[in-house]
Amino acid sequence: GAVVSQHPSWVICKSGTSVKIECRSLDFQATTMFWYRQFPKQSLMLMATSNEGSKATYEQGVEKDKFLINHASLTLSTLTVTSAHPEDSSFYICSARHIRANSYEQYFGPGTRLTVT
Amino acid sequence: QKEVEQNSGPLSVPEGAIASLNCTYSDRGSQSFFWYRQYSGKSPELIMSIYSNGDKEDGRFTAQLNKASQYVSLLIRDSQPSDSATYLCAVMSLTGTYKYIFGTGTRLKVLA
Repeated sequence: GAVVSQHPSWVICKSGTSVKIECRSLDFQATTMFWYRQFPKQSLMLMATSNEGSKATYEQGVEKDKFLINHASLTLSTLTVTSAHPEDSSFYICSARHIRANSYEQYFGPGTRLTVT
Repeated sequence: QKEVEQNSGPLSVPEGAIASLNCTYSDRGSQSFFWYRQYSGKSPELIMSIYSNGDKEDGRFTAQLNKASQYVSLLIRDSQPSDSATYLCAVMSLTGTYKYIFGTGTRLKVLA
């Protein structure tokens, strides 16, 4: 149980285009989903927290107009990287927290490797 | 600034030995603690969560929590080469956001 999927697993796009990444909890409902970014040999950096049906909360320094997050249902959150640039190339990982009360574990998706050329 | 600190390693242990990974945190209000394993190029995988002082065992893994000393550790018994990975400590305080603060991870190498 507690499986999270991400799509696509990797994407290459040209500078200036937008890319959408989907995160789905497959066998549980998630009130809260998180989006992280990880550069090579660095730890995870939280970008934003999204709750179903409400606006995402972005971490300091993360541009909300560039990284659009939508949490439309209890099983789906999307991250859109708008007007992508080479410096946005990274490993993007989502996680989901189970809807169960007093459940604090985050289950991670497999990640999406974005390369902007 | 709330921090979670881990020794970056690499920590090298021979196959079959016990690997001991440590993590300290600065926020005394932290309530929930997690260990994740991350293989190179992959996303983190939850190993264990611990909420109360003391030990919690799950198979070859034992998590230990000492809130007074603000540290949490992970012991891996009978280490296998397949355990070679980066181990991330994550700490969550009950602020209502459910956010984790991650340590930078300890790289473990199990030598065959």
